[in-house]
Amino acid sequence: GAVVSQHPSRVICKSGTSVKIECRSLDFQATTMFWYRQFPKKSLMLMATSNEGSKATYEQGVEKDKFLINHASLTLSTLTVTSAHPEDSSFYICSASVEGSYNSPLHFGNGTRLTVT
Amino acid sequence: SQKIEQNSEALNIQEGKTATLTCNYTNYSPAYLQWYRQDPGRGPVFLLLIRENEKEKRKERLKVTFDTTLKQSLFHITASQPADSATYLCALAGMDSSYKLIFGSGTRLLVRP
Repeated sequence: GAVVSQHPSRVICKSGTSVKIECRSLDFQATTMFWYRQFPKKSLMLMATSNEGSKATYEQGVEKDKFLINHASLTLSTLTVTSAHPEDSSFYICSASVEGSYNSPLHFGNGTRLTVT
Repeated sequence: SQKIEQNSEALNIQEGKTATLTCNYTNYSPAYLQWYRQDPGRGPVFLLLIRENEKEKRKERLKVTFDTTLKQSLFHITASQPADSATYLCALAGMDSSYKLIFGSGTRLLVRP
């Protein structure tokens, strides 16, 4: 149980275009999902907390107009990278907690490798 | 500022030996600490959670210790196997005790057959 599915796993896009990444909780409901970004051999950097039915909470330094997050249902959160540029190329990973409490484990998707050319 | 430190150098050990990974933190008073495993190109997978009032936690060949005085957690894998080769991440709850987890940069473990 507790499977998080992320799609697509890889995407290559041209500079200036937008890319949408989907994160689904397959066998549980997630009122809160988290979006992380990871550079090669670096730690996961929390970008934003996605809350079902309300606005996302962004970490300091993350542009909310650049990284649009929508959490329209209890099983789906989407991250849209708008007007992508090569510096947005990275590994994006979503996660959710089954229990929804602050000390419970996170279940991660398998990530999306974004390459902007 | 909050800081989580893990050894950035890879740990290279012989199969069958015990691997010990370290996680140090500063400017934190976490109520709990978690360990995850990450394979290349994949999302992290949860392994163990230990609370501040727990000194030690075990799960099969895994053992985690948590010393809030030293501000350190040790992660042990006994009887290591080549399949244990991966990057291991420690994570702490943010200081605002929200749902957010802050991750260390991870230590890569290589187990030689």
